[in-house]
Amino acid sequence: SAVISQKPSRDICQRGTSLTIQCQVDSQVTMMFWYRQQPGQSLTLIATANQGSEATYESGFVIDKFPISRPNLTFSTLTVSNMSPEDSSIYLCSVRRAGGDIQYFGAGTRLSVL
Amino acid sequence: AQTVTQSQPEMSVQEAETVTLSCTYDTSENNYYLFWYKQPPSRQMILVIRQEAYKQQNATENRFSVNFQKAAKSFSLKISDSQLGDTAMYFCAFMKHESTDKLIFGTGTRLQVFP
Repeated sequence: SAVISQKPSRDICQRGTSLTIQCQVDSQVTMMFWYRQQPGQSLTLIATANQGSEATYESGFVIDKFPISRPNLTFSTLTVSNMSPEDSSIYLCSVRRAGGDIQYFGAGTRLSVL
Repeated sequence: AQTVTQSQPEMSVQEAETVTLSCTYDTSENNYYLFWYKQPPSRQMILVIRQEAYKQQNATENRFSVNFQKAAKSFSLKISDSQLGDTAMYFCAFMKHESTDKLIFGTGTRLQVFP
């Protein structure tokens, strides 16, 4: 398994500001993912965080809005930029080891934008 | 493209009874993985059970078992002896048998266990 620490667990932000979410894993993993879960909905993949290179974004998500960093094999950040109330969601970090098929999830960050 | 469908938005069951959650998927792949994840109110996603498509035997984890019908592309979850702690959202998920591929989730089923 993998132990994932995600910070902050929740935040309330003002419109137009930015929030950076951190994801720390207890051991090296190959793949790190960021998901968004809107209220009462399923999980939507935002991007795959690639170590040492630009993240791979899914359709409908752009780097200017959701910049992602991954400086090493145990840490990644997701920034939600220029926030609007529509960005109010749970954001989840997820990891998978090389050659593995099981994904592990952090506890999520509940973001509310006023 | 792969899709995952959960046709039951909500289900309820009495404590100690058995409940089955449905999941169907669409793919042209022959090798893949299927998963059931549980998300309780604490929102922590927890893996319940996984199935490898090339294995005919249905996976079992204690009170949780699956009915995997590859030809029908069906992957239902049976929870036996339901407990109050089973109350959660349950998501069915699909992943191709490639190390770089991504999980595709269904829309979820909200399960309520009543005393």
